[in-house]
Amino acid sequence: DGGITQSPKYLFRKEGQNVTLSCEQNLNHDAMYWYRQDPGQGLRLIYYSQIVNDFQKGDIAEGYSVSREKKESFPLTVTSAQKNPTAFYLCASSPRGSNQPQHFGDGTRLSIL
Amino acid sequence: AQSVTQLGSHVSVSEGALVLLRCNYSSSVPPYLFWYVQYPNQGLQLLLKYTSAATLVKGINGFEAEFKKSETSFHLTKPSAHMSDAAEYFCAVTPMNTGFQKLVFGTGTRLLVSP
Repeated sequence: DGGITQSPKYLFRKEGQNVTLSCEQNLNHDAMYWYRQDPGQGLRLIYYSQIVNDFQKGDIAEGYSVSREKKESFPLTVTSAQKNPTAFYLCASSPRGSNQPQHFGDGTRLSIL
Repeated sequence: AQSVTQLGSHVSVSEGALVLLRCNYSSSVPPYLFWYVQYPNQGLQLLLKYTSAATLVKGINGFEAEFKKSETSFHLTKPSAHMSDAAEYFCAVTPMNTGFQKLVFGTGTRLLVSP
């Protein structure tokens, strides 16, 4: 079945560490997105990518980095510069066109030890 | 600039009662609008979308929403709530015809269904 796979489901980080969240899709979608979800704040866009080797900052990109070397993959690195990284992270993808809905993975919950 | 306002962070209904979740948007250009549902510790699932073909949009699980331009609203309704409808619901907006989708989400409404 086609879909988006995020791993791991749960992740723990020590202070000062960088961690990388994986996102893989087999839907052949051009665009991919990373969101951060905090209670009561909805989803906020971190980074997005429309094509391979290109990506743009979203609304809350500080302390995060991404790469898009393959169409299927869009990993997110949470760096030590992100002061409040505890959150639920969601990856999504969509075909071209603003009328196309985004498809979401099941998320990664990141916690600080 | 776009924004979405979802009135009520929590809505409680009894099983069998009408469900009404409110969404108002602000957009400088004609928008596409979406409703998503999220169950605990899962991603978002599309319920329905408005892409200008019809103002009354029917979605999955018996939900529907009506686009009202004059009221800048896109409220979600279901005639009869089921226990399985208990979840968090998000309204989202993106500009029409940009060739690329950049969604702005509301803060969500948690639907509680009591027996």
